[in-house]
Amino acid sequence: DIQMTQSPSSLSASIGDRVTISCQATEDISNYLNWYQQKPGKPPKLLIHGASNLETGVPSRFSGGGSGTDFTLTISSLQPEDIATYFCQQFHNFPITFGQGTRLETK
Amino acid sequence: QLQLQESGSGLVKPSETLSLTCAVSGGSMNSGGYSWSWIRQPPGKGLEWIGYIYHGGSTSYNPSLQSRVTISADRSKNKFSLRLTSVTAADTAVYFCARLFFSKFYFDLWGQGTPVIVSS
Repeated sequence: DIQMTQSPSSLSASIGDRVTISCQATEDISNYLNWYQQKPGKPPKLLIHGASNLETGVPSRFSGGGSGTDFTLTISSLQPEDIATYFCQQFHNFPITFGQGTRLETK
Repeated sequence: QLQLQESGSGLVKPSETLSLTCAVSGGSMNSGGYSWSWIRQPPGKGLEWIGYIYHGGSTSYNPSLQSRVTISADRSKNKFSLRLTSVTAADTAVYFCARLFFSKFYFDLWGQGTPVIVSS
């Protein structure tokens, strides 16, 4: 299985900060990488697909980058509604696997 | 607008079978290009893909669960189901059904999730 490792596991930032979350794969997954946001008691919500494609309706302050084994999710200016846990997911090989999550909190 | 809703037993005894159903409303499961998946999330932990059933009825399962999992669909009733046999406490989790956009392999629609506790 391809293991996905996110860093950091948790992150504290201020409103308005630029925030970057990393996701690393144990082997080359090209750009077969998606990002999700999950708020407590809710299902995950798709943010980014294909490493850098913004899902319809997702604010433009979210962006994704990377290819191969190293990927990033960036929030250009953190808003209160962005407080959540973020997961990456690969689909290059079966089984589909997710990162362990990055919990984003406000300072 | 398409919606997914999980239902089923919230409490299962060890060694017994977990059974859940996902009802699809506001649209048809028969539209091409999508598969119908189950994903679970143990308390306070990350997400684990369980498997999916595709439009033509073929299935794919996570090898870690393959010996115990069956996903089936009743397209006439617009629903699909999960059976997980011989459950243990490690199967305690919130179970989500989700739609997988097949060509890009992203989960674009999720149910709200249903908690399942395995306990005697």
